[in-house]
Amino acid sequence: SAVISQKPSRDICQRGTSLTIQCQVDSQVTMMFWYRQQPGQSLTLIATANQGSEATYESGFVIDKFPISRPNLTFSTLTVSNMSPEDSSIYLCSGERGGTDTQYFGPGTRLTVL
Amino acid sequence: KQEVTQIPAALSVPEGENLVLNCSFTDSAIYNLQWFRQDPGKGLTSLLLIQSSQREQTSGRLNASLDKSSGRSTLYIAASQPGDSATYLCAVTPGSQGNLIFGKGTKLSVKP
Repeated sequence: SAVISQKPSRDICQRGTSLTIQCQVDSQVTMMFWYRQQPGQSLTLIATANQGSEATYESGFVIDKFPISRPNLTFSTLTVSNMSPEDSSIYLCSGERGGTDTQYFGPGTRLTVL
Repeated sequence: KQEVTQIPAALSVPEGENLVLNCSFTDSAIYNLQWFRQDPGKGLTSLLLIQSSQREQTSGRLNASLDKSSGRSTLYIAASQPGDSATYLCAVTPGSQGNLIFGKGTKLSVKP
């Protein structure tokens, strides 16, 4: 199984600032995704991170608020920009190896915005 | 729009009991269905993956079934143990592109 790490594991940030979350996979994956889990809610897909091109965003999420990079197959970043308390959530990245259909998840980043 | 519902939201059982967690989805046109386990601070662990053409999958004490036509899946846990305490999430892949649509989960507590 793929091992996925995320940094930071948690952070407390001030309103109006930005935070960049890093996701590293230990083996090559064909697809990477970013999810958000708000308190008491299910995971919601933010975007699909595409290698070397712009991410594909789901309805309700925009690039200006959640810029995503994926410079190579095994690394991606998600930035939460101009944060407000409503952005307080757990952010998770996942990876899927081609042909397996199974998604592997990172441990998540718990973000609190004051 | 695909929606995934899990019942119950929380469940508490004594150790050794067999239990069933339920998942329903509104659109039967799914590519596959996965059950995950979520532990605090440890992300999600994939437990079982059922392709749309399959009826069930088994792994150890876990058995997941899929009835695509009725939009339902169940996760059966045999002889529950305190270590099974976690939140169990059901998720469907609506197409072949890989993104998942999750339910809110069932929080399971197994008492020693």
